[in-house]
Amino acid sequence: AQSVTQPDIHITVSEGASLELRCNYSYGATPYLFWYVQSPGQGLQLLLKYFSGDTLVQGIKGFEAEFKRSQSSFNLRKPSVHWSDAAEYFCAVGAPAAGNKLTFGGGTRVLVKP
Amino acid sequence: GEEVAQTPKHLVRGEGQKAKLYCAPIKGHSYVFWYQQVLKNEFKFLISFQNENVFDETGMPKERFSAKCLPNSPCSLEIQATKLEDSAVYFCASTPSFGAGETQYFGPGTRLLVL
Repeated sequence: AQSVTQPDIHITVSEGASLELRCNYSYGATPYLFWYVQSPGQGLQLLLKYFSGDTLVQGIKGFEAEFKRSQSSFNLRKPSVHWSDAAEYFCAVGAPAAGNKLTFGGGTRVLVKP
Repeated sequence: GEEVAQTPKHLVRGEGQKAKLYCAPIKGHSYVFWYQQVLKNEFKFLISFQNENVFDETGMPKERFSAKCLPNSPCSLEIQATKLEDSAVYFCASTPSFGAGETQYFGPGTRLLVL
C-alpha cells in the first residue's frame, strides 16, 4: 500500500525567505510523486510532479522539488517566498499499478509573515 | 471545457436526506476520480471511472454512496441518507488517459454540510 507523510502541519516563513516542505512516501515500486497547492476555498493546483528522469523537478510559481529514492523523500522548495504563497500544500503519490488514484499526505499549511 | 466543473458549490442537508453532487470533466478526458476531503485535511479516494465504466471503486462506502458517469452527462456522486460524518468537501478530478505520472486536474469541490 502507498502512503505519504508530511511531518510539518504548519510552517511560518517571512516574505522573501526560503521555504522547504518535507514529504516522505512509502511505495513498493517506482513512485509517481506530485505536489499540489490549495488556496482557501479552492481546488487543488498542480505545482510539479516526478515520474522519471531528472530527480530535480522544476514547477510553476518558482517551486522545485527533489526526489531522493534513498530517503524516500520528495521535498518541495522555493528560494524566496511571496505573500501569495500562503496556502495549504499537499504531497501525493500515485501509480498505474494502483489505478492511478492519489494518496495524499496530511498537508502543510504555510503562513507568510510580512 | 478547459476546467473541471463541479456543482453545486455548497450543499446543506439534514441527516437522512439525499445529496447529489455533479462533476463535468475536462472535455476529452476519459478518466474521472472522486475524492473526499474531511476537516482534518485528509483526502480519501472514493471511486474512479474510465468513461462510463467504473474503474476502481475500492474507496467507496458500500451502503449509502453511489456514482455514475453517463455519456453526454456530468458525472454524479449520490449519498443516500446522509450522516453527520459525510460532511466534507468532495473533489472531482479528471485525466486525459491512463499513463504513468498522469496529472489529475481538480475541480473546485462541493462543500457538503450535514446537519
